[in-house]
Amino acid sequence: EDKVVQSPLSLVVHEGDTVTLNCSYEVTNFRSLLWYKQEKKAPTFLFMLTSSGIEKKSGRLSSILDKKELFSILNITATQTGDSAIYLCAVGRAPLYDMRFGAGTRLTVKP
Amino acid sequence: NAGVTQTPKFRVLKTGQSMTLLCAQDMNHEYMYWYRQDPGMGLRLIHYSVGEGTTAKGEVPDGYNVSRLKKQNFLLGLESAAPSQTSVYFCASRDDYRANNEQFFGPGTRLTVL
Repeated sequence: EDKVVQSPLSLVVHEGDTVTLNCSYEVTNFRSLLWYKQEKKAPTFLFMLTSSGIEKKSGRLSSILDKKELFSILNITATQTGDSAIYLCAVGRAPLYDMRFGAGTRLTVKP
Repeated sequence: NAGVTQTPKFRVLKTGQSMTLLCAQDMNHEYMYWYRQDPGMGLRLIHYSVGEGTTAKGEVPDGYNVSRLKKQNFLLGLESAAPSQTSVYFCASRDDYRANNEQFFGPGTRLTVL
């Protein structure tokens, strides 16, 4: 059975801290791994990863995929209160690109 | 360009009632999806469609039906609502011609079944 497991489930840090969020997966017909940020409503796209070892960066956020060990990490440096959200990991499967989501990591950044 | 929209935003049903949730997208996307999100469980795929007139089951299809009569619309139906269907429902769409298979999400519908 396909599964996507995120850890930790919740995390509380202070502004300026660096956090690492984890996502491991066992999914047939792996196509890509995506990270989303969810604040109050709909998830918003952060990154898509398809190749091992290639880091994707956007400002203070970065992510990397290890297809051999079947995991990805999302790093956030110099956290800000606006980073408080649920971070979702999802794996897209071939051929029809249906996605399996993890339960999410709830990040709270305190001033 | 409104993206993905969902109707209604909120709804309260009694057990046994039926309703239809409407998802509409104006991006000419082929693929559309319905998810439900429950606390601590992330998003779970209910049904999806790879084009007009097609539908397929996802992880948790029981108790739901869908239809994709027009490319821009994807309807989710509950024939006889149950309290276990209390959830937040998200619709999403994607373009099959993009190398990046990012899905674009609607704002969600909060459904409570009493």
